[in-house]
Amino acid sequence: KAGVTQTPRYLIKTRGQQVTLSCSPISGHRSVSWYQQTPGQGLQFLFEYFSETQRNKGNFPGRFSGRQFSNSRSEMNVSTLELGDSALYLCASSLGQQLAKNIQYFGAGTRLSVL
Amino acid sequence: GIQVEQSPPDLILQEGANSTLRCNFSDSVNNLQWFHQNPWGQLINLFYIPSGTKQNGRLSATTVATERYSLLYISSSQTTDSGVYFCAVGAGANSKLTFGKGITLSVRP
Repeated sequence: KAGVTQTPRYLIKTRGQQVTLSCSPISGHRSVSWYQQTPGQGLQFLFEYFSETQRNKGNFPGRFSGRQFSNSRSEMNVSTLELGDSALYLCASSLGQQLAKNIQYFGAGTRLSVL
Repeated sequence: GIQVEQSPPDLILQEGANSTLRCNFSDSVNNLQWFHQNPWGQLINLFYIPSGTKQNGRLSATTVATERYSLLYISSSQTTDSGVYFCAVGAGANSKLTFGKGITLSVRP
């Protein structure tokens, strides 16, 4: 069974641009969560999608948005990029239906550099 | 929200030594996972262990939910065990994981 796939692996953008990251979950998983990892703040939850609906949201500005498609693939978008958005963005998938045994599996991440 | 504290923040071991990594959390959880982050950034699942004890080769983990802590044991450490170990917990009616700051383990040959 294929794991969680994130594309692209690396991105370089300039301030003010926007970026879209993609995540394909493990087959059969309906929940996709996004996390941002920076040296200063560690791993922080961005949002979670389940069956095409945002089910939970972290404490990030509205420039960070996401969506989920009917095949459970998810994208996140960051508009008007700032230098502080430079980070490793990690996607996790899980079955999402039962809170018990809701094991999260992570992709390899997308490393975004904003210049 | 729930707080997660990991200790010690850094650990240096000689190859072959054993170690214990600790994770304390501030509230009841329905999910607790240990991860190893590899040098390329991917989080590798080690254990799903909201309670009880599990073993996988040289690694084992114990969570005492009533006392709100979990321990990860690494025995006969190898240089390939080096990296950052994260504890992450989930609580309530959603899939959000709250991560600790991680423990950086360096195993020297």
